[in-house]
Amino acid sequence: QVQLVQSGAEVKKPGASVKVSCKASGYTFTSYYMHWVRQAPGQGLEWMGIINPSTGSTSYAQKFQGRVTMTRDTSTNTVYMELSSLRSEDTAVYYCARKAAAGNEFDYWGQGTLVTVFS
Amino acid sequence: SYELTQPPSVSVSPGQTARITCSGDALPKQYVYWYQQKPGQAPVLVIYKDSERPSGIPERFSGSSSGTTVTLTISGVQAEDEADYYCQSADSSSTWVFGGGTKLTVL
Repeated sequence: QVQLVQSGAEVKKPGASVKVSCKASGYTFTSYYMHWVRQAPGQGLEWMGIINPSTGSTSYAQKFQGRVTMTRDTSTNTVYMELSSLRSEDTAVYYCARKAAAGNEFDYWGQGTLVTVFS
Repeated sequence: SYELTQPPSVSVSPGQTARITCSGDALPKQYVYWYQQKPGQAPVLVIYKDSERPSGIPERFSGSSSGTTVTLTISGVQAEDEADYYCQSADSSSTWVFGGGTKLTVL
């Protein structure tokens, strides 16, 4: 069965960077794009960007351009999301979510990773 | 930028029908997807391509579209349906967007 398993919670200071991982299993890793979505405490879902695990190509939401980097490692079926210059407003749960093969929906989600930015 | 608008909250009694709307100017040209999110959990897809139901989702969940508004309908609401619901779409420039979310309260 499809599983997306994310790395554990992180606590960072303002100005630092965080790198969250998402290990995929149960399907052909390079055949499905992967998104990153975040959710601040008590707030809604916010799309951050997408990566093609086959080619490594990415597309980021304008809000995060210049601060976010998404990469992948095909040898371990893992995608990564690194966010730099962290500020308190980046405190959120970060999810990886697989893009469906034929549509624009997110068909499987990771369990989420809480990133707390705290001075 | 592309925006989707949802009501912040909807309340219904058990057994009644809940309707949650999602509005956006581009919706006549783009599909909408719906997710259910319970506290402390990741979202779950309940409707795709405006009205299709993934396997495993109860038949009481349905979707419809009319012009710039798409509607998620939950017939015969049960207590377990209490959750936040988000609509989502993607525009022609490969930007994905979520609505602000609707909290469904089962009275």
